[in-house]
Amino acid sequence: GQSLEQPSEVTAVEGAIVQINCTYQTSGFYGLSWYQQHDGGAPTFLSYNALDGLEETGRFSSFLSRSDSYGYLLLQELQMKDSASYFCAVRDNASGGSYIPTFGRGTSLIVHP
Amino acid sequence: DAGVTQSPTHLIKTRGQQVTLRCSPKSGHDTVSWYQQALGQGPQFIFQYYEEEERQRGNFPDRFSGHQFPNYSSELNVNALLLGDSALYLCASSFGGGASRGKTQYFGPGTRLLVL
Repeated sequence: GQSLEQPSEVTAVEGAIVQINCTYQTSGFYGLSWYQQHDGGAPTFLSYNALDGLEETGRFSSFLSRSDSYGYLLLQELQMKDSASYFCAVRDNASGGSYIPTFGRGTSLIVHP
Repeated sequence: DAGVTQSPTHLIKTRGQQVTLRCSPKSGHDTVSWYQQALGQGPQFIFQYYEEEERQRGNFPDRFSGHQFPNYSSELNVNALLLGDSALYLCASSFGGGASRGKTQYFGPGTRLLVL
């Protein structure tokens, strides 16, 4: 079956750097996505990694190691508005060609002034 | 360029009733997926529609059904509502079937359903 593990909560101060880890178990792995969701809001797509390595988009970077079944989201120069839930989602072929992403339970990021 | 829209925003129903939720995908998108998100959990995949057909289904009972219209909009129907169906129902749109499905999805604001 599929499983994803990510910390339930991470706290940091404004201006700092924070890393949110995600480990997964699945078959037919295609890629790992990250989404941000503010309270009461819609999940917003942040990044997608299909190959090993680091993808950088502004203050956010995402990393993937397929051999370790591991990825992380790195947020730099934290701002108060970054306080939100962050979900990793595995896109795989576990259901015979579904390509449907399976979401983790999310990490609540709390940024303090 | 309109993003994904959903209606209604909030809904209160009683056990045993039926509900219909609606979704209009982002302009240019032809694939719609529905998710259920319970409080404190990640979105759980219900099903996906592409070319007016259900292409993939998650682990949800037959009480959950859907439809996609020629203009790519979609409906989610839930019959015989249970208390446990209370959740945020999210619609996500993307472009293209096949291997591109689920790669980059744009979510709507959701419909918050409360079953009493």
